[in-house]
Amino acid sequence: DGGITQSPKYLFRKEGQNVTLSCEQNLNHDAMYWYRQDPGQGLRLIYYSQIVNDFQKGDIAEGYSVSREKKESFPLTVTSAQKNPTAFYLCASSPGPAGELFFGEGSRLTVL
Amino acid sequence: ELKVEQNPLFLSMQEGKNYTIYCNYSTTSDRLYWYRQDPGKSLESLFVLLSNGAVKQEGRLMASLDTKARLSTLHITAAVHDLSATYFCAVESDSNYQLIWGAGTKLIIKP
Repeated sequence: DGGITQSPKYLFRKEGQNVTLSCEQNLNHDAMYWYRQDPGQGLRLIYYSQIVNDFQKGDIAEGYSVSREKKESFPLTVTSAQKNPTAFYLCASSPGPAGELFFGEGSRLTVL
Repeated sequence: ELKVEQNPLFLSMQEGKNYTIYCNYSTTSDRLYWYRQDPGKSLESLFVLLSNGAVKQEGRLMASLDTKARLSTLHITAAVHDLSATYFCAVESDSNYQLIWGAGTKLIIKP
């Protein structure tokens, strides 16, 4: 089945540690996105990529980094510079730079 | 700058009643999307509205888009408990094609 796979589903991190969230899609979509959602809040864009080897900062990129070395993969690293990283992270993709987004199941990160 | 406002942000209603969620946006756009999110889950696409006057229906939900008024509505007919969720609208920016999200409407339907 085509879709977007995020892993891990749950992740616990100690303060000061970097963690990497995986996002893989087999939809052959060009564009991929990372969003952050805090409890009871809407979605905020962290980074997006419209093509392999290229990505742009979203509204809240500070403390995060990404790479897009393959079309199907868009991992997100939450660095120790991110002061409040506890949140629900959602990866999405779309066929092109515009249009409907398809979401993965999400990764819930908790900093202990 | 494109801004998107949903209202109400919270809605508690009885089963069997009708209600409407509103999504207003501040600059021109012809593309609007509605998503549903269940507690602790990801987002599921409900409707894609791509032109003025577009109307889509799925079961007890109907969405419409008025690009001149910069308004979309999500109408719930004869609500049932299973429709309890948070509903988000997202508007596509004409300048960079990114989606700008509303804050979400948390809908609770009581039996």
